[in-house]
Amino acid sequence: DTEVTQTPKHLVMGMTNKKSLKCEQHMGHRAMYWYKQKAKKPPELMFVYSYEKLSINESVPSRFSPECPNSSLLNLHLHALQPEDSALYLCASSQGSMLTNQPQHFGDGTRLSIL
Amino acid sequence: KQEVTQIPAALSVPEGENLVLNCSFTDSAIYNLQWFRQDPGKGLTSLLLIQSSQREQTSGRLNASLDKSSGRSTLYIAASQPGDSATYLCAVTRETSGSRLTFGEGTQLTVNP
Repeated sequence: DTEVTQTPKHLVMGMTNKKSLKCEQHMGHRAMYWYKQKAKKPPELMFVYSYEKLSINESVPSRFSPECPNSSLLNLHLHALQPEDSALYLCASSQGSMLTNQPQHFGDGTRLSIL
Repeated sequence: KQEVTQIPAALSVPEGENLVLNCSFTDSAIYNLQWFRQDPGKGLTSLLLIQSSQREQTSGRLNASLDKSSGRSTLYIAASQPGDSATYLCAVTRETSGSRLTFGEGTQLTVNP
C-alpha cells in the first residue's frame, strides 16, 4: 500500500466542469509534487510545493491550479480542461525539495478523462 | 539539456533468468539516480537510489550500479519472477535543478512463467 493517498482514483469530466484532485501524506514530508503521465510515457513534473509554498511551476496552463492547504495536503483544481489533458495525474512527496538523497514517494494517481 | 535513455524499451524473459536493464544520461553533473517500478495503472515505487558519490546499491534481488563519468547505470535483477513484470524507469536529479527528476522512457519487462 502506498503512503501517499490520492482521490478520486478515476474522474470523468466535461470541458466546462470544475473538479479537484486531492493528495494526502502523513510521513512528515515537506515537499509535494504534481506530475502528469500520458500513456506509455514517463511522468512530467507540473508543480512543486516546498513548506507549503509553490516553488516550481513548469509553465503549466492556468486551467490547472494547485493548492497546498497544509503540509499534509495537496490539491489540484481543474477548470475548463481540454481532451488532451486526459492522463494519469500523480502526486508525490519527499522530505525536502532541495537537493536531497531521499526518494520521492508516489501515490497511485487519478485517472482523468475529459469528454 | 539532460536526456535519459533506457534500453531496451521492452524485454521478455523466462522465469529464473538474470537480467540487466540499462540507463544512460547525457549530463554527468547529476546529484543522484533513482530506479522506479511502475505496475499498470499504478504509481511509481522507488526501488533504489544511488548518490552521485556511490558506485552501487543493493536491495534483495536488485542491484543498481552507477558510472557517473560515462553517464551509465544498470539495474540487475537476479532470478527473475513473474511478479517482477512491470515498467522500470530510471530518473536523475541534476545538481542544478533541485528536486526535478528527469525520467527515461522506461523498459517494459515481462517475466514468463
